[in-house]
Amino acid sequence: DIQMTQSPSSLSASVGDRVTITCRASQSISSYLNWYQQKPGKAPKLLIYAASSLQSGVPSRFSGSGSGTDFTLTISSLQPEDFATYYCQQSYSTLMCSFGQGTKLEIK
Amino acid sequence: EVQLVESGGGLVQPGRSLRLSCAASGFTFDDYAMHWVRQAPGKGLEWVSGISWNSGSIGYADSVKGRFTISRDNAKNSLYLQMNSLRAEDTALYYCAKVSWNSKGWYFDYWGQGTLVTVSS
Repeated sequence: DIQMTQSPSSLSASVGDRVTITCRASQSISSYLNWYQQKPGKAPKLLIYAASSLQSGVPSRFSGSGSGTDFTLTISSLQPEDFATYYCQQSYSTLMCSFGQGTKLEIK
Repeated sequence: EVQLVESGGGLVQPGRSLRLSCAASGFTFDDYAMHWVRQAPGKGLEWVSGISWNSGSIGYADSVKGRFTISRDNAKNSLYLQMNSLRAEDTALYYCAKVSWNSKGWYFDYWGQGTLVTVSS
């Protein structure tokens, strides 16, 4: 099974900050890596798919990069609505996947 | 508008069974793979199971293999999860999620709001 490890587990930042979250896979997954945002009491929302493709309707301040085993999600200028928990997900196999443990982004 | 509505959750004793349902609308259900993802209270997301559009391929997480069975009824636009031999650690909010895909891979583009399963005596 492919294990996904996110860092940091939590992060405090201010509005306007640039923030980077890292996700590492236990084996190469090419670019089969997706990012989700989850707010309290809500279902996850897709932000980035295939490592760097921005989902329709997602603000351009969100970007993703990486391939192989190391990936990053960057928020270029934090907005108040961005404080949430972020998850990476590998979809290397056709019908199996796994998520990172999550990164909670909090207001400093 | 795509809608996924889960139902069937509730309080159940350890060792008992429960069947979850997910009613889908707003898209051609039998064109897409579907999955179940769960989230224990205060914890992260855990993939549970996935099923291809025609039920020809199925996958399970090791934590539920042999106890849970995923199925779908394309005529009813519905996804199911039969959960047997439930354990306390199965307590979670269970989401159904629709898959989308392109040449770059697949991902979950829509999620339901979840149905809560509590396993306790």
